[in-house]
Formats: sequence, C-alpha cells, structure tokens
Amino acid sequence: DTAVSQTPKYLVTQMGNDKSIKCEQNLGHDTMYWYKQDSKKFLKIMFSYNNKELIINETVPNRFSPKSPDKAHLNLHINSLELGDSAVYFCASSQDLLRGGPAFFGQGTRLTVV
Amino acid sequence: GENVEQHPSTLSVQEGDSAVIKCTYSDSASNYFPWYKQELGKRPQLIIDIRSNVGEKKDQRIAVTLNKTAKHFSLHITETQPEDSAVYFCAASIPAAGNKLTFGGGTRVLVKP
Repeated sequence: DTAVSQTPKYLVTQMGNDKSIKCEQNLGHDTMYWYKQDSKKFLKIMFSYNNKELIINETVPNRFSPKSPDKAHLNLHINSLELGDSAVYFCASSQDLLRGGPAFFGQGTRLTVV
Repeated sequence: GENVEQHPSTLSVQEGDSAVIKCTYSDSASNYFPWYKQELGKRPQLIIDIRSNVGEKKDQRIAVTLNKTAKHFSLHITETQPEDSAVYFCAASIPAAGNKLTFGGGTRVLVKP
C-alpha cells in the first residue's frame, strides 16, 4: 500500500486554466504538506496543515488554494495557471508537528503549463 | 528566516570510497536536521535525521554529525555503491515555525563502478 499518494502524476495544461492535485495518506498522520520543486531541483514549502488546520502558508500567490477535507487528505487547487507554475509538486506527511518535518513524500505531480 | 547552504553541489566518488556532504544553517533555534535522498524522477526519501540534543547518529553505512556551536551538520556515506547515486538534500527546521523545513540546494552524488 502506498503511504502517500497523489494524483495525477503528470498534468499538462494551458495558461489560464484551473487545475487540482489530490493527495491522500493512509498512515494516520496528523500533518500534511505541499512542496514545490523547481527546474533546478530546489525544494520549497508551500503549505502545511495539522489536523485540517492551516499551519504554514508561505509566500505563495493566492491563485494556489489548499483544502483539507479531513486529516488524511490535502488537495491543491491552482487558478489561472501561469508558465512559471511549471514544476513538480510533492505532497508529504509527518506523524505530527513534533516530528520536525515530513517523513514520507508522494510520488510527485509534474505540472507543465503551455 | 532560516538559510541552509549545502556543499558540494556535485560529488563523484569511486565505488567503495566514502562520500561527505556538508551543510550550514543560520538560525540557532533550528533543532531538527533531516537528510533526504532523491533518485532521478522519484520522490525524496528520508534516509536519516538528527536532533540538536545528539551529536552523531549512524544507520548502517550512513552517519550524520551535528555541530551546534558552528551551526553545521554533515552526511557521511561509507563504502559507497552505485545505488547510492542520487541527489541528497539536507534541511533544517525550527519547531516553533510549525515544522517549516528549509532545504539546502542539493548534492548530486555519482558513484562510479
């Protein structure tokens, strides 16, 4: 069983479109994250949630909106996609806020905006 | 905010040799230091971590050392194997910042058979 799974794995879309990425973890973890990895492989936190509550909201354009319907799911919705949004987006989870950081990552979603 | 510097950016070693990657951090409040391995096209995987109350931790061929005074920590891989080839990321987090990990820029390790 996959610990952290996200869909889709690949997403190719035109500028201006709206798209969503879904993430689910079956580990019973309290804390979930979204990270962005750019073309130079640099990893940066975007959001974190703990028991459905927003904890970290980095300086991300408000076109990006996370939603956590329950503690096992953290989805990412992106409005009005721009070329610069092209990147790999990783969902991750950790047992709780005491952990210090993510223990498991999803397989990533490669977003290409054309 | 926290800033993490990682060196070298690329490292080529002969199979069986050791590899060392070094990171420095800026915020003395950081107390959690994980290392992640990312193979080409795959997800980052947590391989080892250390907290500030410990100076060294070892797991088979992998070890991490932490010098809080100097604010640097290192990853040591002994007896390298071709499957160790990957990009390795160090990171640091401050608990009061809600598990906000700041990553280093990554080290691409190539183990030559």
